Amino acid sequence: AQKVTQAQTEISVVEKEDVTLDCVYETRDTTYYLFWYKQPPSGELVFLIRRNSFDEQNEISGRYSWNFQKSTSSFNFTITASQVVDSAVYFCALSAPRSGTYKYIFGTGTRLKVLA
Amino acid sequence: DTGVSQDPRHKITKRGQNVTFRCDPISEHNRLYWYRQTLGQGPEFLTYFQNEAQLEKSRLLSDRFSAERPKGSFSTLEIQRTEQGDSAMYLCASSLTTESTDTQYFGPGTRLTVL
Repeated sequence: AQKVTQAQTEISVVEKEDVTLDCVYETRDTTYYLFWYKQPPSGELVFLIRRNSFDEQNEISGRYSWNFQKSTSSFNFTITASQVVDSAVYFCALSAPRSGTYKYIFGTGTRLKVLA
Repeated sequence: DTGVSQDPRHKITKRGQNVTFRCDPISEHNRLYWYRQTLGQGPEFLTYFQNEAQLEKSRLLSDRFSAERPKGSFSTLEIQRTEQGDSAMYLCASSLTTESTDTQYFGPGTRLTVL
């Protein structure tokens, strides 16, 4: 079975603080893909990043960085120097297309509130 | 380049009525997906199309739900005899097939309220 766990339901930080959102996944597939999406109050899911299971290199994009560790089945997301505009619900998702499906399995999301 | 669009954005209906939602994917994308999202939860997969073929349906998609993508472009999702438990956000996504996997791009969703 495939599963994504986002244990943090809600996080509140003050602007300019760093914050890390946790994501733990389960899959028996050796080839899989992990994603992060942002869902602002408007409701639309905005794609942030995709990571392959065979590429454990961490990635940085501006204030965003992602730490992928296969040994702990985690794909954590860090926002550096958070801003009010970062306030949203963030979802981690898993896809394992070689198991015959292209659907995404989403976690329950982490609501981030950045206070001015 | 326009993104995924969905219509309507909001729908309020009475229990027992039928509703239909439309999704227009990104123009060159060949795959189209429907998900349902309830309050406080992540999106749950309902079904997906590759071109006009419906290739996978979730067990969540009861016989009151039907989806079509007649010409491989836009798609419709119909719910017959709506129930209060159908109240949710219905999200559409599209992707372009690659050799590895697709990245799905989502529309703004249709929020359904069943009274």
